[in-house]
Amino acid sequence: EAGVTQSPTHLIKTRGQQATLRCSPISGHTSVYWYQQALGLGLQFLLWYDEGEERNRGNFPPRFSGRQFPNYSSELNVNALELEDSALYLCASILGPSSYNEQFFGPGTRLTVL
Amino acid sequence: AQSVTQLGSHVSVSEGALVLLRCNYSSSVPPYLFWYVQYPNQGLQLLLKYTTGATLVKGINGFEAEFKKSETSFHLTKPSAHMSDAAEYFCAVSDLKAAGNKLTFGGGTRVLVKP
Repeated sequence: EAGVTQSPTHLIKTRGQQATLRCSPISGHTSVYWYQQALGLGLQFLLWYDEGEERNRGNFPPRFSGRQFPNYSSELNVNALELEDSALYLCASILGPSSYNEQFFGPGTRLTVL
Repeated sequence: AQSVTQLGSHVSVSEGALVLLRCNYSSSVPPYLFWYVQYPNQGLQLLLKYTTGATLVKGINGFEAEFKKSETSFHLTKPSAHMSDAAEYFCAVSDLKAAGNKLTFGGGTRVLVKP
């Protein structure tokens, strides 16, 4: 069974540009979570999508947005990039929104903003 | 609001020695607790989880953790460290009622294993 996949592995952008990160969940998983792992800030919850809808978002500005497609894959968009957006972005998928279910993480996309 | 505190951002142990990583949590409702491991340039892998039932939880790679409600702790242990245990470890708590299983992580503890 294939795990959670993310693309690209690395992404280099300049300040003010837009970045698009992609995530494919494990087959059968309907919920996708996005987390940001920034140096010195730890792992922080960004967004949660379930059945195509945004269900919850963390304490991030609106320029962080995303969507979930009918096949449950997801896209994270970061507009007007700032230097502090440089981080590892992790996607996780889960069978359903129950705390008994383990979140499976992808390898991440490392975003560097110059 | 939930929070997780991991005592010690770096831990150094000798190969064969006990590994003890400390985690304390704050939660207004019964928590679900997790330990994840992150190897360099990789995502997170679940080591073990506590939801309900037995408070001593066994995980992969010889790790175990004990949920102590009175101490609001969920410390991770391994009797004998192996070189392959060198990684960063994250304790996390989730609360289904608050936000649908979003995880709140501790700051992480990086483990160095000395030969």
